[in-house]
Amino acid sequence: DTEVTQTPKHLVMGMTNKKSLKCEQHMGHRAMYWYKQKAKKPPELMFVYSYEKLSINESVPSRFSPECPNSSLLNLHLHALQPEDSALYLCASSQVYGTGGGNQPQHFGDGTRLSIL
Amino acid sequence: AQKVTQAQTEISVVEKEDVTLDCVYETRDTTYYLFWYKQPPSGELVFLIRRNSFDEQNEISGRYSWNFQKSTSSFNFTITASQVVDSAVYFCALSPLSSNTGKLIFGQGTTLQVKP
Repeated sequence: DTEVTQTPKHLVMGMTNKKSLKCEQHMGHRAMYWYKQKAKKPPELMFVYSYEKLSINESVPSRFSPECPNSSLLNLHLHALQPEDSALYLCASSQVYGTGGGNQPQHFGDGTRLSIL
Repeated sequence: AQKVTQAQTEISVVEKEDVTLDCVYETRDTTYYLFWYKQPPSGELVFLIRRNSFDEQNEISGRYSWNFQKSTSSFNFTITASQVVDSAVYFCALSPLSSNTGKLIFGQGTTLQVKP
């Protein structure tokens, strides 16, 4: 079983809906990540949180809004998405972020398969 | 340029065959980390190994082994006596120290199908 839990596992939403993806880890990790993965492609980094502060935003459109309420939780709020946003959204965590921690391995959840109608 | 190339898009083998997944990387950094991840159909990326650029020892973990050769900038992954459960997409990834972010640069992935 994965130690990073993502909910929901599947989500279908219309372009005008507002929904949220949730991610939780209890490994004491202080870095959390959101990735987007299209079929047959590698994951693409979207956001990185380090010690609950946003450290990286990879020029992601504002219709994606991340939130880190505490060190164990990471949310991704979705609003007015486009059909091209349909993808697998993966959450990951690592002990710390960046080279200071020796580039610790990231541990991934199962992902949320998102479909935009 | 910082880049990872997994030239094999898809590989199909019969159970119990050995299979090697190739990974070639490019980086200007002298210090970097290399990773392999497995992604089964369920979607989760499973961490398999991390190797730093100063440790060229090959590693074996059960049926899995990794061959790191700095001279050819390769970090190949071999599965011995493959099993159907090994069917997945395998990603090789690079994390250069100079980026100071721990960001992963992924290869395009190799889809491995192991047939019974």
